[in-house]
Amino acid sequence: RKEVEQDPGPFNVPEGATVAFNCTYSNSASQSFFWYRQDCRKEPKLLMSVYSSGNEDGRFTAQLNRASQYISLLIRDSKLSDSATYLCVVNSWYSSASKIIFGSGTRLSIRP
Amino acid sequence: NAGVTQTPKFQVLKTGQSMTLQCAQDMNHEYMSWYRQDPGMGLRLIHYSVGAGITDQGEVPNGYNVSRSTTEDFPLRLLSAAPSQTSVYFCASSATMDQPQHFGDGTRLSIL
Repeated sequence: RKEVEQDPGPFNVPEGATVAFNCTYSNSASQSFFWYRQDCRKEPKLLMSVYSSGNEDGRFTAQLNRASQYISLLIRDSKLSDSATYLCVVNSWYSSASKIIFGSGTRLSIRP
Repeated sequence: NAGVTQTPKFQVLKTGQSMTLQCAQDMNHEYMSWYRQDPGMGLRLIHYSVGAGITDQGEVPNGYNVSRSTTEDFPLRLLSAAPSQTSVYFCASSATMDQPQHFGDGTRLSIL
């Protein structure tokens, strides 16, 4: 089992739709969580951090479920500009070392 | 407001050549890292550093060396380029390992 797994893409949804991605992690000692977006042939850019109580930034909502070991990203009223690959990132502790693990990404395509 | 600067942006090498990919950040970040990203795949960690004078191996370190003589700079050296090292290379930095990372624009490297 991969340490961090994301929903397989691609997701193809109409403009204005709500779409949600999940990302599961295997290490219960994981400490910090992030969502990044990556446009084609560009560098990943931080979308938002994920906090235990859940957090919202405009149309984007991130949730953390420690009991089931997953994080989620919800995009409401999707725009054409939301088309990108979304990467989840988990920072986990293994023995005495910390490890940053990127998911392989979920492709989202918004159609007019 | 430079952030993370990578040079060069593009490079073509012949098998067996060596070269250094440069990475510099002006945010006084302690944590720096190098990733490679192959088509359709996620980011794979090559090497990382938690501060000047300290480096460690990531997931795919073979064929690469790093050093961290200053907080600002974290060069990645290809010792003897091989076609399997054709990839996009990203450098990233963050204040600490727990914080979100800032990425450079990437270096697109082709080995013939």
